[in-house]
Amino acid sequence: QSVLTQPPSVSGAPGQRVTISCTGSDSNIGAPYHVHWYQQLPGTAPKLLIYGDNKRPSGVPDRFSGSRSGTSASLAITGLQAADEADYYCQSYDTSLSGSSVFGGGTKLTVL
Amino acid sequence: QVQLVQSGAEVRKPGASVKVSCKASGYTFTNFYIHWVRQAPGQALEWMGWINPTSGGTNYAQKFRGRVTITRDTSISTAYMELSSLRPDDTAMYYCARDLGVNMIVSWFDPWGQGTLVTVSS
Repeated sequence: QSVLTQPPSVSGAPGQRVTISCTGSDSNIGAPYHVHWYQQLPGTAPKLLIYGDNKRPSGVPDRFSGSRSGTSASLAITGLQAADEADYYCQSYDTSLSGSSVFGGGTKLTVL
Repeated sequence: QVQLVQSGAEVRKPGASVKVSCKASGYTFTNFYIHWVRQAPGQALEWMGWINPTSGGTNYAQKFRGRVTITRDTSISTAYMELSSLRPDDTAMYYCARDLGVNMIVSWFDPWGQGTLVTVSS
């Protein structure tokens, strides 16, 4: 059971917009601590997608955006492409376990 | 370019220990913390701990305290993660990752190593 809750799966057609939620609590996202997002393509290591709630590293397309409000955060992907099919994870900091980084359970994005 | 290269796959019997290495290149090793994260087959990412390469100070996830030891050798820009008393459910891909955050509370990981598969089986 992950500290941060994500939907197991989402799907969308090419060109559409999808969002992935990440729900936490007052000891992590709601504290408030920043949320970061990673993309994991099949068989590869995770790759940083969004940091500090809504900042994109160099090279990440602006089709990817992040937001945070209260005890939740969201990742939005617009103009969906087949190459976006991957697992997505949110990450934050949590004070309830003697201070540690925590991940969401991951969301599998399927491009129909 | 900034790169983390990990050691190869390992197979261990239950009760044994394993030590995985993570060699950094393309940046000053002592300027950024290194974290270890594992992923069991088909499961989510799980944070294990970090090391401050400058001081050698560490912090471990509560779940792994007493079983995990993270160390470093600054002379060769390499971090290590040793996990002891291995069980079959420790079978996982183990990743190291560089911390680009501003402090331990604001902490994000980039890049990640390629991963090391550790299999625990009798």
